[in-house]
Amino acid sequence: GAVVSQHPSRVICKSGTSVKIECRSLDFQATTMFWYRQFPKKSLMLMATSNEGSKATYEQGVEKDKFLINHASLTLSTLTVTSAHPEDSSFYICSAFLGGNTEAFFGQGTRLTVV
Amino acid sequence: GENVEQHPSTLSVQEGDSAVIKCTYSDSASNYFPWYKQELGKRPQLIIDIRSNVGEKKDQRIAVTLNKTAKHFSLHITETQPEDSAVYFCAATPGYKLSFGAGTTVTVRA
Repeated sequence: GAVVSQHPSRVICKSGTSVKIECRSLDFQATTMFWYRQFPKKSLMLMATSNEGSKATYEQGVEKDKFLINHASLTLSTLTVTSAHPEDSSFYICSAFLGGNTEAFFGQGTRLTVV
Repeated sequence: GENVEQHPSTLSVQEGDSAVIKCTYSDSASNYFPWYKQELGKRPQLIIDIRSNVGEKKDQRIAVTLNKTAKHFSLHITETQPEDSAVYFCAATPGYKLSFGAGTTVTVRA
């Protein structure tokens, strides 16, 4: 199957700093990628849809100025958590589709801890 | 948007018994229904999926059924083994944006 690679897998940062998470499709081009957030023992919550060459579409309640998404190429989307606070600590996962109505491929996830 | 409900939230079964997880969805336009298994700290792994033109699909010990009229679909795991212990998520989509159920924590007792 297709491979989606996400980095870093773990990051610890200080409050007030920014953290960038990368999501790469290694063997296919992804015009659309998705960013999820997952709290412990909870489901995946869609944060935003990342569209190559255009602005991301954010889900209701997600602050676009806090969670900056850039999809500058067909193989790379980045999520930047700006001015991170402890409540931003979570597991962030990206995914990509080969096409509509087909299997979604997930990155390894990033465990963010803000201290 | 699509709303997916999943039950039960936890399920404990004896090794060798069957496990059943049920999901309902709200958007009649949804046409793709994947099931994922997620181990702690890992990415979700697709274990089986079904499309709206099919009522049932089986892959070894895992099967999924879909009732479009009632808008519900179920995951069946037979002859459960300890390695089946994990969190399972159902999902639905009318296109490409997946909506996930809340998840079911399955524990297989040896």
